[in-house]
Amino acid sequence: AQSVAQPEDQVNVAEGNPLTVKCTYSVSGNPYLFWYVQYPNRGLQFLLKYITGDNLVKGSYGFEAEFNKSQTSFHLKKPSALVSDSALYFCAVRDKGAGNMLTFGGGTRLMVKP
Amino acid sequence: ETGVTQSPTHLIKTRGQQVTLRCSSQSGHNTVSWYQQALGQGPQFIFQYYREEENGRGNFPPRFSGLQFPNYSSELNVNALELDDSALYLCASSWGQGAGYFGPGTRLTVL
Repeated sequence: AQSVAQPEDQVNVAEGNPLTVKCTYSVSGNPYLFWYVQYPNRGLQFLLKYITGDNLVKGSYGFEAEFNKSQTSFHLKKPSALVSDSALYFCAVRDKGAGNMLTFGGGTRLMVKP
Repeated sequence: ETGVTQSPTHLIKTRGQQVTLRCSSQSGHNTVSWYQQALGQGPQFIFQYYREEENGRGNFPPRFSGLQFPNYSSELNVNALELDDSALYLCASSWGQGAGYFGPGTRLTVL
């Protein structure tokens, strides 16, 4: 079985400061890892994914994530937060041998204050 | 914006009724997945269709069923609606092992 944990319900950061949203995962095989963002009353928007290769993955809107196999983590980062980054962020994992089924974490609300 | 569309946007039903939700895939995508997102939670996988056949299912009862059509669009049907079925229903389309691109969702309210 695969699972994802997002240990923080909410992350608060000041505009211009770096941000980190944490994610840890558990799969039986090799993982595909994803980050999505959700704005109020909207669906999920794809930010970035890790399939294989470089551990540092760059995505949309200046976001990046670092895959750490030994710590089974895939934390989302951004060097300088914007107020418009305030939203709900979801980490998801897919076992390479389990089709396209995504397992999501519970989400982390990011609040960026001016 | 992705090329995935869903209809209707909102829907209100009463307990015991049946509902059909629709999803049009992004062009070129042959796989459709459906997810249920209850308020304040992450999406939960319902099932997936590939080339018109169900090829994966989450922990949902048989009253949740679906179809995929030759043009890769899809329907989610829920029979005997229960209050706990109130949620945002999301569909996602993908090609192979690519990322799923999500539609805007259908918000279902069961009274």
